[in-house]
Amino acid sequence: EAQVTQNPRYLITVTGKKLTVTCSQNMNHEYMSWYRQDPGLGLRQIYYSMNVEVTDKGDVPEGYKVSRKEKRNFPLILESPSPNQTSLYFCASRDRLNEQFFGPGTRLTVL
Amino acid sequence: AQKITQTQPGMFVQEKEAVTLDCTYDTSDQSYGLFWYKQPSSGEMIFLIYQGSYDEQNATEGRYSLNFQKARKSANLVISASQLGDSAMYFCAMREGRAQKLVFGQGTRLTINP
Repeated sequence: EAQVTQNPRYLITVTGKKLTVTCSQNMNHEYMSWYRQDPGLGLRQIYYSMNVEVTDKGDVPEGYKVSRKEKRNFPLILESPSPNQTSLYFCASRDRLNEQFFGPGTRLTVL
Repeated sequence: AQKITQTQPGMFVQEKEAVTLDCTYDTSDQSYGLFWYKQPSSGEMIFLIYQGSYDEQNATEGRYSLNFQKARKSANLVISASQLGDSAMYFCAMREGRAQKLVFGQGTRLTINP
């Protein structure tokens, strides 16, 4: 089954404790992105990747890092999480056509 | 300026009725794509329908159709014969040209009443 998976689905952590949210897709897509969703602000892009070893900033990259060492994986790293990074995070991937597949979301709470 | 505007924060519709969710967009690109996603209370984003700016026909996918009016820059989603399971947030989104991101509207919360 074609899908984007994210782990963990839920995470409660404390300020400053490094964390990684994994994202994996099985569709051989070149393009992958991370979004965060906040009430009243909709979904905003954090980072994107056009292929292996090619990443770039989206609209809200501060406080986040990403890497793309393999085509299928695109982890999101929070080196020192803060409470304003409490949000619902989505990983997404697409091929050269237009349908964008979203992962199931990761609900992160930073205390 | 907002790139995607959804003017209906919430809508209540009787089951089996058709419903139209409004979306207007703003772009100066000639090439762009318009998307609709459904987000149920469980949180996942479900792709519903896509319309390319050069597509002459309105897109349709089952009970979903996109009423694309290019001159008015509107891309309304029409759901025919609504069902209780259609209750969810609905987001309109756009990708411009070669941009690598989707820009989302604020969403419309649709509630289908039995």
